[in-house]
Amino acid sequence: TQLLEQSPQFLSIQEGENLTVYCNSSSVFSSLQWYRQEPGEGPVLLVTVVTGGEVKKLKRLTFQFGDARKDSSLHITAAQPGDTGLYLCAGTRGKLIFGQGTTLQVKP
Amino acid sequence: NAGVMQNPRHLVRRRGQEARLRCSPVKGHSHVYWYRQLPEEGLKFMVYLQKENIIDESGMPKERFSAEFPKEGPSILRIQQVVRGDSAAYFCASSQGGREDYGYTFGSGTRLTVV
Repeated sequence: TQLLEQSPQFLSIQEGENLTVYCNSSSVFSSLQWYRQEPGEGPVLLVTVVTGGEVKKLKRLTFQFGDARKDSSLHITAAQPGDTGLYLCAGTRGKLIFGQGTTLQVKP
Repeated sequence: NAGVMQNPRHLVRRRGQEARLRCSPVKGHSHVYWYRQLPEEGLKFMVYLQKENIIDESGMPKERFSAEFPKEGPSILRIQQVVRGDSAAYFCASSQGGREDYGYTFGSGTRLTVV
C-alpha cells in the first residue's frame, strides 16, 4: 500500500496549458516536500510546505499544503517543454516517504 | 561545495557476483539515506544511517543487502550474490538531520544491471 498517492500518474499536455498534480494521504504529515527528477539524474528539491493551508510560489509553480496537512497540490501555469520530468511528493516519517510520482510531458 | 557523489554511475554484474555502491555525502552532512527506484516509479526507502550507526533499515531486504557509513570514508551499499531482480537505480541522499523539514540532497544514482 502507498502511504502517499499521486495523481495523475502520467500527464501529456501542450506547451502553454495549465496543470495540477495531487498528492494525497490518509495520514497527517508535519511537512511535505516536492521534488523534480529528470531522466538519468537524482531528484532535486523544489519546495517544502510546513503549515496547514500554506501556499508557496516558485515562478510558474504554485504549491499548496492542505489545511489538515494530509494532502498537497502542485499547479503549473503555462507549462513549458522544460517542465518535462517526474514530479515526486514526499512526506516525513523519520525519513522521507515518496509517492509514486507523476510523469509530465510538455510538447512544444 | 560538491553535492552528493555516487559511484559508479553504471554497474554491470553477472548473477551471483557482488555489487558495491559508494556514496559521499555533502560536506558537513552526517545523515545518509539509500533509496531504490524502478523505471517510471517513485523512490523506495531502503536504509537510513548516521556516522557508524544504522538508524532505520526497515526497507532493506533481510538477506544479501547491507549498508555501512564508517567514521571515515563514503557510505557503502553492498549487495551480495546479485539476482536479475536487483537491477534498478540506487540513489543516495544526505541531509543535515535534526529537523524533519530539512530537504535531502540526492546524488545522480548508480544504475545496476544484472545480466
